Amino acid sequence: EAAVTQSPRNKVAVTGGKVTLSCNQTNNHNNMYWYRQDTGHGLRLIHYSYGAGSTEKGDIPDGYKASRPSQENFSLILELATPSQTSVYFCASGDGREGDTQYFGPGTRLLVL
Amino acid sequence: GDSVTQTEGPVTVSESESLIINCTYSATSIAYPNLFWYVRYPGEGLQLLLKVITAGQKGSSRGFEATYNKETTSFHLQKASVQESDSAVYYCALGDNYAQGLTFGLGTRVSVFP
Repeated sequence: EAAVTQSPRNKVAVTGGKVTLSCNQTNNHNNMYWYRQDTGHGLRLIHYSYGAGSTEKGDIPDGYKASRPSQENFSLILELATPSQTSVYFCASGDGREGDTQYFGPGTRLLVL
Repeated sequence: GDSVTQTEGPVTVSESESLIINCTYSATSIAYPNLFWYVRYPGEGLQLLLKVITAGQKGSSRGFEATYNKETTSFHLQKASVQESDSAVYYCALGDNYAQGLTFGLGTRVSVFP
């Protein structure tokens, strides 16, 4: 009954290819987030959303697009994947209350060759 | 930009000993930051341990405590007596009041041995 799920869990892509990472939440939260985590870095914010149809740039948006077609779904799109985008990607939903507690998915491990 | 610095791991402690993980922050773009500790237990996802949104207040959960100190820009995590089940990676994070995402520290891996 995981409330935030991600797919795929693992992905191997080729340089220059298109990659779509999907996130689904059943928390009915308005806010959703995409982060990446690399060795030597904490989680870094890529894009976020306040609701269906909304996407906002985070701290490191270059090379990424986001799509929020519904309350439940938030996708991260790499139009032209590069090896530097090899990372673990985490999606989260936020409850919007008192500091906006975030609930994280299990992560997607992406390898770009 | 905003940043969070926390104790560099790994940290190894014996069961029943005390634990402190230091966290200091710089919130150049946030007037009143909200502060969080998240934790990832082995085999599990990242989850909230505790949060404090008001300076001077203390948060607590699962025997852990952290006090939001605006003067020293710190939010250290402490536990008086750890258990083996506290072995995890702990992340300090800060956020604003507009749900614009969190800034995380690097994480501190804690291993508790019996």
